[in-house]
Amino acid sequence: DSGVTQTPKHLITATGQRVTLRCSPRSGDLSVYWYQQSLDQGLQFLIQYYNGEERAKGNILERFSAQQFPDLHSELNLSSLELGDSALYFCASSVATGGYTFGSGTRLTVV
Amino acid sequence: SQQGEEDPQALSIQEGENATMNCSYKTSINNLQWYRQNSGRGLVHLILIRSNEREKHSGRLRVTLDTSKKSSSLLITASRAADTASYFCATAGAISSGSARQLTFGSGTQLTVLP
Repeated sequence: DSGVTQTPKHLITATGQRVTLRCSPRSGDLSVYWYQQSLDQGLQFLIQYYNGEERAKGNILERFSAQQFPDLHSELNLSSLELGDSALYFCASSVATGGYTFGSGTRLTVV
Repeated sequence: SQQGEEDPQALSIQEGENATMNCSYKTSINNLQWYRQNSGRGLVHLILIRSNEREKHSGRLRVTLDTSKKSSSLLITASRAADTASYFCATAGAISSGSARQLTFGSGTQLTVLP
């Protein structure tokens, strides 16, 4: 157990639907990062939150949004899902000077 | 987009041999990190080397960094079958907003250690 908790582990949904992925960072970590991992794009940075505020945006589609709550957990919302959104979605947390701690990921399958 | 390119894409060795993976990157960095991923699982942080460091060791791992060539290498000595995994380098940019920097990952090297 890395200390970063992601739920659900697996998600199967139909095209056009909306899903919410949840992440609880490691205790004490203020930064949360979301990454998408697919076979063709590799690991792509989506978005970062720091202590409740958005800090950086990467290759995040407009159909995707995220937020970090006062208790520091974060949610990634994916809407109008397409087949190409099928991927592993990882959350990671970190302190300012160290490496990331990754969660075990959510495998999203869009059918 | 990928910051780092890793070489080789795949590596197969016998148990007990050393494995060397290389990573090249494009922009100035604050630090470079290596991660390991077992198939379909989360990434595990292995080692971090800062831009002012040239070499770092952790157990059977040795990492080097050459900022003039924008490259790094990861050496795993005396490999074991359990080392079979994908290995990724990741770079943290030189510009900081005060919070932890986002990482940009390379494409990864798939290491297979044969028993």
